[in-house]
Amino acid sequence: GEDVEQSLFLSVREGDSSVINCTYTDSSSTYLYWYKQEPGAGLQLLTYIFSNMDMKQDQRLTVLLNKKDKHLSLRIADTQTGDSAIYFCAEIGGNTDKLIFGTGTRLQVFP
Amino acid sequence: SQTIHQWPATLVQPVGSPLSLECTVEGTSNPNLYWYRQAAGRGLQLLFYSVGIGQISSEVPQNLSASRPQDRQFILSSKKLLLSDSGFYLCAWSVRQSYNSPLHFGNGTRLTVT
Repeated sequence: GEDVEQSLFLSVREGDSSVINCTYTDSSSTYLYWYKQEPGAGLQLLTYIFSNMDMKQDQRLTVLLNKKDKHLSLRIADTQTGDSAIYFCAEIGGNTDKLIFGTGTRLQVFP
Repeated sequence: SQTIHQWPATLVQPVGSPLSLECTVEGTSNPNLYWYRQAAGRGLQLLFYSVGIGQISSEVPQNLSASRPQDRQFILSSKKLLLSDSGFYLCAWSVRQSYNSPLHFGNGTRLTVT
């Protein structure tokens, strides 16, 4: 079945860039998403990328997709303490209504 | 605009007691509806999803069940809770038959089974 994997933790200094990585196995993935979860809250959609794109930029966020290696990354420029949260990548295949989520990466930003 | 409501926000229940969590969506029709569980320190596990009234797909065998009595209402239930049912339960919706439709999540219910 489909599988989505992420590293569990990332710690960065305020003002630096953060790069959160994700790998997936479903070669028929059409859309890939990044969600943010703050403590005790639901998931907030940050951005998404269609599988025929290599890159998408949205203000401080840059998404890179390497479809050949099935690798997705989220870069946050000028990381702030308010960016501290768990970040989930998720993918949806070509013939399904279901999102498959990664395990989540906990980003900690320290001053 | 569309909104999704989940309640209660927190719940503490003894082992063996029943459970009912509700989720409603406003501002859209015929949504896909989902129940996810997030165990402490772990990722999201899809429990149930529904593409229409009375249509429920179960992703994992367990003592939980789901029902969709109305188009925009999704209920998660259990007859007898287990300790392992503790977790953070999230309801979500998406546009039906739209493969680029992301999931929109409620604020979650923190369930502690004691």
